[in-house]
Amino acid sequence: GAVVSQHPSRVICKSGTSVKIECRSLDFQATTMFWYRQFPKQSLMLMATSNEGSKATYEQGVEKDKFLINHASLTLSTLTVTSAHPEDSSFYICSAWYQRETQYFGPGTRLLVL
Amino acid sequence: GESVGLHLPTLSVQEGDNSIINCAYSNSASDYFIWYKQESGKGPQFIIDIRSNMDKRQGQRVTVLLNKTVKHLSLQIAATQPGDSAVYFCAEDRKTSYDKVIFGPGTSLSVIP
Repeated sequence: GAVVSQHPSRVICKSGTSVKIECRSLDFQATTMFWYRQFPKQSLMLMATSNEGSKATYEQGVEKDKFLINHASLTLSTLTVTSAHPEDSSFYICSAWYQRETQYFGPGTRLLVL
Repeated sequence: GESVGLHLPTLSVQEGDNSIINCAYSNSASDYFIWYKQESGKGPQFIIDIRSNMDKRQGQRVTVLLNKTVKHLSLQIAATQPGDSAVYFCAEDRKTSYDKVIFGPGTSLSVIP
């Protein structure tokens, strides 16, 4: 099946710093990618839709100035958590539709803000 | 952000038995449904999907049933194995301009050897 990768897999940062997470579609092009956040023992919560060449679409309650999304190419979307705080600590997962048939997910990035 | 519920029900099954995991969805306009398996610390893994013009679809050891009348979805796993222990999520494609996939609350499956 199609492969979606994320980098880094795990990151620890100090409160107040910014962290960038990359999501790549390795063997297909993705005009649209999605970013989810998952807290322990909870479901995945959709944060935003990342669109190649245009602005991201954010879900209600998600701060767009806090979570900056850039979809610079057909295979790369980045999520930057700006001025991170401990409550931003979570598991961040991206996904992309493959040939409009099936949505594949990345392995996730564990963010810990100290 | 959008999600469906914050609880994580659990299901314990004896190895070799069949497992049935249920899910309710809310959006009548959704026409595509997916089951995902998530192991600890990993991203969701696609298991099986079904479109709204079907009521049953079978894969290897898994079957998905769709009841559009009551907006209910189920995943049946035959001859459950220890490797099936994970959290299972149903997800629906909300028919928006970007085909957003919204996840259900998930069910934690524990297989007893």
